[in-house]
Amino acid sequence: EAGVAQSPRYKIIEKRQSVAFWCNPISGHATLYWYQQILGQGPKLLIQFQNNGVVDDSQLPKDRFSAERLKGVDSTLKIQPAKLEDSAVYLCASSPDRGGSEAFFGQGTRLTVV
Amino acid sequence: GENVEQHPSTLSVQEGDSAVIKCTYSDSASNYFPWYKQELGKGPQLIIDIRSNVGEKKDQRIAVTLNKTAKHFSLHITETQPEDSAVYFCAASITGYSSASKIIFGSGTRLSIRP
Repeated sequence: EAGVAQSPRYKIIEKRQSVAFWCNPISGHATLYWYQQILGQGPKLLIQFQNNGVVDDSQLPKDRFSAERLKGVDSTLKIQPAKLEDSAVYLCASSPDRGGSEAFFGQGTRLTVV
Repeated sequence: GENVEQHPSTLSVQEGDSAVIKCTYSDSASNYFPWYKQELGKGPQLIIDIRSNVGEKKDQRIAVTLNKTAKHFSLHITETQPEDSAVYFCAASITGYSSASKIIFGSGTRLSIRP
């Protein structure tokens, strides 16, 4: 079974630029999560999708972050404009059902904002 | 909302000894508690989980205990090996048939195994 795929693996941008991350979850997984992991900290949930609907985006800085999940499969997370404090690893995870089962994580995208 | 606290932040043990990582959670409705291992440059990987209807679960050298009354849960690794060196995260979530759960993570424990 293929795992969660994320791209790119690394990205360096200047502040105020925009950036987009892509995630392809495990086939058939209904739930998709985007987490932000700042160096030395635990992952922090940004947004959670159930199929193509948003379940929780309470921690998403909506003035600069946006996310979508087209057709309930792939997802993109965008930052525009980026700030220095957005430097982090962005992790995508998927889970097969509504909740309580294992979340499978991708390798993440390491973003550096300079 | 749920808050998960984890300690210690760093732990160094001699190879072959045991390691214990402890977590507390705030929301008594939480009923699913996974533990993840994260190696350098990789995403977190589930190593064991426990649900609120059991108090202990074991898988080879790894065990997890849960005290619902005190809202504590712990990870125990016995006979530690060099490959156990990594960052470990505890997490908590609320699961149900009618609602999707969000997984809230602790701050992590960096475990180092001394040869």
